[in-house]
Amino acid sequence: DAKTTQPTSMDCAEGRAANLPCNHSTISGNEYVYWYRQIHSQGPQYIIHGLKNNETNEMASLIITEDRKSSTLILPHATLRDTAVYYCIVRVGSGPGGYNKLIFGAGTRLAVHP
Amino acid sequence: EAGVTQSPTHLIKTRGQQVTLRCSPISGHTSVYWYQQALGLGLQFLLWYDEGEERNRGNFPPRFSGRQFPNYSSELNVNALELEDSALYLCASSLRAGGPFTDTQYFGPGTRLTVL
Repeated sequence: DAKTTQPTSMDCAEGRAANLPCNHSTISGNEYVYWYRQIHSQGPQYIIHGLKNNETNEMASLIITEDRKSSTLILPHATLRDTAVYYCIVRVGSGPGGYNKLIFGAGTRLAVHP
Repeated sequence: EAGVTQSPTHLIKTRGQQVTLRCSPISGHTSVYWYQQALGLGLQFLLWYDEGEERNRGNFPPRFSGRQFPNYSSELNVNALELEDSALYLCASSLRAGGPFTDTQYFGPGTRLTVL
């Protein structure tokens, strides 16, 4: 399973863009990168996922490097409610050897301050 | 559209007791996953059910078991509770399973189990 590496914590000022990096240097060519976040004591919330191309939705943008060894989640205008632990996950699919489970690492604790 | 629901929200049990947790997936989702999030241990995969069958389980003892019903809802049963079973138990569902790179999992709010 491809592993991910994220900074332990980050700070961001309210209204500014939050850029959360993730390294996944052992990612396989057919594995997706997923981002979830978890606000204290709540279930994880899906944010976005991608394979090769950059993706954008109403919550965030995902920038994946050309070699796919790293990615960046961008929250364009962070608010106080974006304070959470953000998890970067390389998806283990249910093909041979995969079991359709998500493997969460330690994540990045993002603190958005006024 | 209603999200994944779980019940109960909180539960307090004593060592040796048994507990049943319940999960209702998003309408139309056939796969249900159970995860345990214990303090300091991160989120651990427990079980995956699809179309009523157990597809895979994580590295947990047999006293953790479950089932999926014809309406795709699911139960997680834990027998002979131990103190270290205290955790947030999360259920997630996805639209379909099978084949690689399948669907996004959506999580419920969790059940907080405390074992005294």
